[in-house]
Amino acid sequence: GQQLNQSPQSMFIQEGEDVSMNCTSSSIFNTWLWYKQDPGEGPVLLIALYKAGELTSNGRLTAQFGITRKDSFLNISASIPSDVGIYFCACPTNQAGTALIFGKGTTLSVSS
Amino acid sequence: DADVTQTPRNRITKTGKRIMLECSQTKGHDRMYWYRQDPGLGLRLIYYSFDVKDINKGEISDGYSVSRQAQAKFSLSLESAIPNQTALYFCATSDVRGGRGDNEQFFGPGTRLTVL
Repeated sequence: GQQLNQSPQSMFIQEGEDVSMNCTSSSIFNTWLWYKQDPGEGPVLLIALYKAGELTSNGRLTAQFGITRKDSFLNISASIPSDVGIYFCACPTNQAGTALIFGKGTTLSVSS
Repeated sequence: DADVTQTPRNRITKTGKRIMLECSQTKGHDRMYWYRQDPGLGLRLIYYSFDVKDINKGEISDGYSVSRQAQAKFSLSLESAIPNQTALYFCATSDVRGGRGDNEQFFGPGTRLTVL
């Protein structure tokens, strides 16, 4: 079945550092999404990418849709303590038509 | 007020009991979803509904059933709960208007279910 391989699984960084995480698949997807889950909350959409090669920013966050349509990365610049949480990549699953499959997540810890 | 609400937020039950988790939304979205989250496994789709008369199985529907009582309400039932159904359960909604389809989903706060 379709899978999204997300790495790294966890990251421990100092406040002010930049962060990079990525998501890869053996399947082609036409949409890549990045969600963040704060502790005790549901995931919230950060960035949506709809075109191969697209680079999109949302404040300190930047995400790119890979040219091959099989990968995406998310960068966070100048991290702050409130960046703590779990970051998920997600793509619409072709088999179900429109529902999402998720990567296993990258847990980010930021020390001040 | 939250756009997507889930009740209860926490529930502890025993093996074999029937459990219902409820989800309500005020976003006016047609499509609703149930996911479960297990540590280190991300979110996995259980069931989804495109409207009141259209319900579809997701990746892990065995042991679960759903009911779409109205556009705004989507319930998940565990007919006979077992310990490996202990997880965090999320409801989500999406809107097909605007051309983006289901890609942008909005999640509730989750229900933490423990089956002893």
